[in-house]
Amino acid sequence: KAGVTQTPRYLIKTRGQQVTLSCSPISGHRSVSWYQQTPGQGLQFLFEYFSETQRNKGNFPGRFSGRQFSNSRSEMNVSTLELGDSALYLCASRPPGTGELFFGEGSRLTVL
Amino acid sequence: QKEVEQNSGPLSVPEGAIASLNCTYSDRGSQSFFWYRQYSGKSPELIMSIYSNGDKEDGRFTAQLNKASQYVSLLIRDSQPSDSATYLCAVNNNAGNMLTFGGGTRLMVKP
Repeated sequence: KAGVTQTPRYLIKTRGQQVTLSCSPISGHRSVSWYQQTPGQGLQFLFEYFSETQRNKGNFPGRFSGRQFSNSRSEMNVSTLELGDSALYLCASRPPGTGELFFGEGSRLTVL
Repeated sequence: QKEVEQNSGPLSVPEGAIASLNCTYSDRGSQSFFWYRQYSGKSPELIMSIYSNGDKEDGRFTAQLNKASQYVSLLIRDSQPSDSATYLCAVNNNAGNMLTFGGGTRLMVKP
């Protein structure tokens, strides 16, 4: 069974630009969560989607947004990038009926 | 006070020893607890989940949960250099399906 797939794996942007990251969950998983990981703050929850609906949102500014499609694939978008947005963005999917998260390899964003 | 706390380490143990990793959490209503391993430059990998008080064993790994004291621990027996990684404790709080992660403990197993 294929794991969680994230694209792109690496990207470099400049301040003020926007970025869209994509995530394909494990087949059969309908819940997708996004996390930001930085050396200083660790893993921080961004949002969770289930059946195309955002169920939970972390404490991030409105520049961070996401969506989920009918095939459970998810995207997150960050607008007006700031230097502090440089991080590893991790997507995780959850099997039905469990609390376990399975992470993709992540998208490493560098903002210059 | 952070919701999930771990000693950042590094925790250094000799090969073959038992590594003991600890985690405390603040939300008394938490129901599900997880340990993830993260190698440098890689994403977190789930190694153990525990839902009820007591011990749960899986190979060389044992997770221990004490809800009354609000701590969860991970024991790694016969530690190997390949166990050297950062171990993240995660707790499913009562607010929904999100996991709250601790800052991680870096484990170094020396040959």
